[in-house]
Amino acid sequence: DIQMTQSPSSLSASVGDSVTITCRASQNIYTYLNWYQQKPGKAPKVLIFGASDLQSGVPSRFSGSGSGTDFTLTIRSLQPEDFAAYFCQQSYSVPLTFGGGTKVEIK
Amino acid sequence: QVQLVQSGSELKEPGASVDVSCKTSGYTFSAYIMNWVRQAPGRGLEWMGSINPNTGNPTYAQGFTGRFVFSLDTSVSTAYLQISGLKSEDTAVYYCARTLDFYCVGSSCQKRFDYWGQGALVTVSS
Repeated sequence: DIQMTQSPSSLSASVGDSVTITCRASQNIYTYLNWYQQKPGKAPKVLIFGASDLQSGVPSRFSGSGSGTDFTLTIRSLQPEDFAAYFCQQSYSVPLTFGGGTKVEIK
Repeated sequence: QVQLVQSGSELKEPGASVDVSCKTSGYTFSAYIMNWVRQAPGRGLEWMGSINPNTGNPTYAQGFTGRFVFSLDTSVSTAYLQISGLKSEDTAVYYCARTLDFYCVGSSCQKRFDYWGQGALVTVSS
């Protein structure tokens, strides 16, 4: 199974800050990497697919990059509605594994 | 519009069984693989497996074999998750999520979960 390791597990930031979340795969997954946002009590929502493509309707302050084993999700100019949990997911092979998540909290 | 609507919260005793449904609308049910994802309280997302509505063929992740069964009723565009022999560690929110294939090269496609149900909380407690 491919292990997905996210860091940090949590971070505190202020509105207007930029934050970067990293995700490392235990083997090469090319660009088979998605990012999801989950707010409390809600289902996850896809933000980025194919490592760097923005899902329709997602604000452009979200961006993804990387390939192979190392990936990043960057949120520029954090907005109040961005405080949530973020998960990466690989779709290179079954089982489709998720990272442990990063909780972005208000400083 | 695409919708996945799950059944409500359940409170079950250890050893009992539970059925979670995921009723879909707004798209061709047989065209998209359906996944089940578990989220224990305060924890991350865990892919349980998937079922192909075209073939009825399920795929189970390790740790979700034996007590977990995925099924379908294509006549009502609904997917089901049945868990038997419930344990306290099964307490979680269970999500259904549709797979969207993209960037296909031959038969190999990237996948993302583009639509999710709202989740169904299953609590196992005596």
